[in-house]
Amino acid sequence: QKEVEQNSGPLSVPEGAIASLNCTYSDRGSQSFFWYRQYSGKSPELIMFIYSNGDKEDGRFTAQLNKASQYVSLLIRDSQPSDSATYLCAVLTTDSWGKLPFGAGTQVVVTP
Amino acid sequence: GAVVSQHPSRVICKSGTSVKIECRSLDFQATTMFWYRQFPKQSLMLMATSNEGSKATYEQGVEKDKFLINHASLTLSTLTVTSAHPEDSSFYICSARRASAVSNQPQHFGDGTRLSIL
Repeated sequence: QKEVEQNSGPLSVPEGAIASLNCTYSDRGSQSFFWYRQYSGKSPELIMFIYSNGDKEDGRFTAQLNKASQYVSLLIRDSQPSDSATYLCAVLTTDSWGKLPFGAGTQVVVTP
Repeated sequence: GAVVSQHPSRVICKSGTSVKIECRSLDFQATTMFWYRQFPKQSLMLMATSNEGSKATYEQGVEKDKFLINHASLTLSTLTVTSAHPEDSSFYICSARRASAVSNQPQHFGDGTRLSIL
């Protein structure tokens, strides 16, 4: 089983709608969870991190963490064409020695 | 902020050339830096973990004699691709974690280096 799993997509979202991305992880002891955005041809950019169960909001982005079910989600409200990118979930596990296992990423396409 | 500078951004060179890529944390100290490679339309692949003042830890299948890593200071790590060949052409990205007593620091990425070997 992979440490971090995401649906590869593409996830097609109409402009103005909510994009919902999910990520599951295998290490129950994981404490830190990160979402990165990667535009085509560019390097990843940190957009959200969450450490505690529940929701964390930052502008149009909301991260949701459920440790009991071992998943973390990212919601993008009022999706814009500029949100079209691949979103990478990363989970800091207890035995990763500082490495950050990434999911394969979910491609989001926001259509005007 | 947490700014990571990577240089050069693009390299085009002949087969057999060695290429050095620098990764600097500009506004924080990084005891650990990471080197990734990404082929078109594929996932990030971790190549090695670079620790300041010690030898790098390479992932399985990555040739340490081919990809030389030096992390001489808390703000600089270098990756040298030795005797590069066309199959080494890829997008190389570094990242850095802020030195901290807490272990939950995220990685911050440089802008990447696009390497093309002719």
